[in-house]
Amino acid sequence: KAGVTQTPRYLIKTRGQQVTLSCSPISGHRSVSWYQQTPGQGLQFLFEYFSETQRNKGNFPGRFSGRQFSNSRSEMNVSTLELGDSALYLCASSLAEGVPGELFFGEGSRLTVL
Amino acid sequence: KQEVTQIPAALSVPEGENLVLNCSFTDSAIYNLQWFRQDPGKGLTSLLLIQSSQREQTSGRLNASLDKSSGRSTLYIAASQPGDSATYLCAVSYNAGNMLTFGGGTRLMVKP
Repeated sequence: KAGVTQTPRYLIKTRGQQVTLSCSPISGHRSVSWYQQTPGQGLQFLFEYFSETQRNKGNFPGRFSGRQFSNSRSEMNVSTLELGDSALYLCASSLAEGVPGELFFGEGSRLTVL
Repeated sequence: KQEVTQIPAALSVPEGENLVLNCSFTDSAIYNLQWFRQDPGKGLTSLLLIQSSQREQTSGRLNASLDKSSGRSTLYIAASQPGDSATYLCAVSYNAGNMLTFGGGTRLMVKP
């Protein structure tokens, strides 16, 4: 059974650009959540999608957005990139629906903003 | 504010030693607590999930306990091996979704 797949694995952008990251969850998982990991702030929750609806949202500016498709694949977008957006972006999927369950993470997309 | 703290931030032990990693959380109204392992530059691997109604979970050489009343969880690793070297993270779920609040992690080094 394939795990959570994130693309691209690495990317370099310049300030002001925008970026789109993709996440394919484990087959059958309908919950997809996104996290940002930086050395200074650690792991921080961005948002969660379930059945194409945003279910939870973290404390990030509106430049960070996401969506989920009918096949449960998810994308997150960051517009007007800033140097501080350089981070490892992790996607996680879960089978649990009504109550929180075990999360399975992908390898992440490492974004560098120059 | 719901905070999760892990102490120590780093730990170095000789191979074969039994060790305990600590996790504390400020709000005891949790749904569950998860322990993860992260190797450098990699994603997170789920180790153990403890539901709020449970006191402990075991998987192989790993045992995690949960004490909601005191806001603490421990991860016990028996007979540590160099392959156990990694960063260990605990995370708490406070709401009905899959939104986790993470601790800062404990970076473990097991020396041969």
